[in-house]
Amino acid sequence: DQQVKQNSPSLSVQEGRISILNCDYTNSMFDYFLWYKKYPAEGPTFLISISSIKDKNEDGRFTVFLNKSAKHLSLHIVPSQPGDSAVYFCAASAGTNFGNEKLTFGTGTRLTIIP
Amino acid sequence: DSGVTQTPKHLITATGQRVTLRCSPRSGDLSVYWYQQSLDQGLQFLIQYYNGEERAKGNILERFSAQQFPDLHSELNLSSLELGDSALYFCASSPPEKETQYFGPGTRLLVL
Repeated sequence: DQQVKQNSPSLSVQEGRISILNCDYTNSMFDYFLWYKKYPAEGPTFLISISSIKDKNEDGRFTVFLNKSAKHLSLHIVPSQPGDSAVYFCAASAGTNFGNEKLTFGTGTRLTIIP
Repeated sequence: DSGVTQTPKHLITATGQRVTLRCSPRSGDLSVYWYQQSLDQGLQFLIQYYNGEERAKGNILERFSAQQFPDLHSELNLSSLELGDSALYFCASSPPEKETQYFGPGTRLLVL
């Protein structure tokens, strides 16, 4: 049972435009959500997170939106740059519950920025 | 650089063998997590240690075990290796009372 889903395996965006990556989850116990960026043969790099008590968090070019009623979150990258080309993973945890801090990952979306 | 280190970077071994993967968390982080990334499974949680004690278990095989030492580094032991154990193994750490996990560069295991 895939509790975190990223339905788009790939996405291509022109440099300078907005990239929007989507993620859906099914487990209502999840209360903390993260986005990671991953290059081949490297570990996931933390980008941005959001707690379930918020609906938006912004850090520079990256903004994460959370819609709890729809169990949906999205990552916006604007403007997109060639260095943003990577695989992006959405992850979730029920971290406020002891022993449930583990991350459940989506399957990833490969983002390609076209110069 | 996340501050989490893992050794070795690559490991090639044969079926039936045993290997040990090592992880040093970021300074001050008490929690260590192990994840496996195989081609068809994505990133899967294996096990978590907090300040030397096991805190949570995921889909970890009985042939696999882990521990966290007093200096907070952790080791993941994989025994009776099978071809299907070939994967990337990642370690992550998080600070006390914080939920963000920071990942190491991973160990690529190839079982022949």
